[in-house]
Amino acid sequence: EVQLVESGGGVVQPGGSLRLSCAASGFTLRKYWMSWVRQAPGKGLEWVANIKQDGSERYYVDSVKGRFTMSRDNAKNSLFLEMNSLRAEDTAVYYCARDSSWDKTAPGGDFDNWGQGTLVTVSS
Amino acid sequence: DIQMTQSPSSLSASVGDRVTISCRASQSIDNYLNWYQQKPGKAPKLLIFAASTLQSGVPSRFSGSGSGTDFTLTISSLQVEDFATYYCQQSYSSPVWTFGQGTQVEFK
Repeated sequence: EVQLVESGGGVVQPGGSLRLSCAASGFTLRKYWMSWVRQAPGKGLEWVANIKQDGSERYYVDSVKGRFTMSRDNAKNSLFLEMNSLRAEDTAVYYCARDSSWDKTAPGGDFDNWGQGTLVTVSS
Repeated sequence: DIQMTQSPSSLSASVGDRVTISCRASQSIDNYLNWYQQKPGKAPKLLIFAASTLQSGVPSRFSGSGSGTDFTLTISSLQVEDFATYYCQQSYSSPVWTFGQGTQVEFK
């Protein structure tokens, strides 16, 4: 069974940093593009970042470029999202999501498995 | 950036109703359109990809259609477990994706 389990969320002051983790199991992580998707309280979904199977390519939504860094450790079946210079508008549930395109050089963009999410609250 | 606009933002329906949700892209996205269902406090679930292909395990009462800029999600006979929020998402502008704002299906 595919499982994605996020952790690392919490309350942080504006300008602070936080590192989210996503533990993957039940599938071969190194074969998939992976993404982070967030959802502000009561709002819709926003794709945040993705990373290629070997970590050689990463892409970000404009609002987090230069502040967030996505990485992965395939040997440890883990994904990470390093978040710096956090703002109130970064407050959201952050989901780890698997791109459905197995072993492809480009992501398919449809997410067939999601974690349960971890809440990040940026507030003073 | 490609903008995705869903309509309506919410709708009220009864069990057994046929429900239709629309999604419009700000430019042509061919058939690179996906639909998700989200229930309160839960992660989204992929229903349909490539505009009309049903994800494995999704009931056949769900269907998708459209291409270019206009797309539709149809639930042929609404069930109790279908009351949720539905999102469309474009996967044309690789590797950057955008979602619609969501459509909440409520009990009438």
